[in-house]
Amino acid sequence: EDKVVQSPLSLVVHEGDTVTLNCSYEVTNFRSLLWYKQEKKAPTFLFMLTSSGIEKKSGRLSSILDKKELFSILNITATQTGDSAVYLCAVESGDYKLSFGAGTTVTVRA
Amino acid sequence: ETGVTQTPRHLVMGMTNKKSLKCEQHLGHNAMYWYKQSAKKPLELMFVYNFKEQTENNSVPSRFSPECPNSSHLFLHLHTLQPEDSALYLCASSQDHGGSTYEQYFGPGTRLTVT
Repeated sequence: EDKVVQSPLSLVVHEGDTVTLNCSYEVTNFRSLLWYKQEKKAPTFLFMLTSSGIEKKSGRLSSILDKKELFSILNITATQTGDSAVYLCAVESGDYKLSFGAGTTVTVRA
Repeated sequence: ETGVTQTPRHLVMGMTNKKSLKCEQHLGHNAMYWYKQSAKKPLELMFVYNFKEQTENNSVPSRFSPECPNSSHLFLHLHTLQPEDSALYLCASSQDHGGSTYEQYFGPGTRLTVT
């Protein structure tokens, strides 16, 4: 059975801090790893990672994948209150099935 | 606004009711998905349709019945639900699989409460 584990489950930081979110996985025939941000309802897409060691960056967010050690990290630098959300990691397996982790709840205090 | 719409946004139904959730995507995608998000549990994939054909049924009880009349519309018909079925139901779409990986775009969800 495919498994996606995110850590920590939640964290509270102050504006300006940097956060690092972790996602480890065990899936059959890995195809890609995706990060989503979920604020109120619908998850919104952040990154898709398919190759090891290549950092994807968008503004203050960046992510990298290690296919040998089976994990990915999502970094948020200079956090703002608008970064408060649940961050979801999902892994797509060979049968095109997307398995999600439980999410990390990030709270950024002013 | 992701190009994926869902109606209704909120639904309260009794255990003997029959209702349907609707999803429509305006992105030209060929694959559509239903997910269930319960409190404190990961998103669970329920059904996958690729080019209107159901390619995944993730051991979902028969009281949930999907329908995909065309690649832009997806329905989830609900019948004789249980209180534990109360959850947020999310629809998503992506480009067809065709050997390539594409990200999924999610609709806003339907918050379902079964009384």
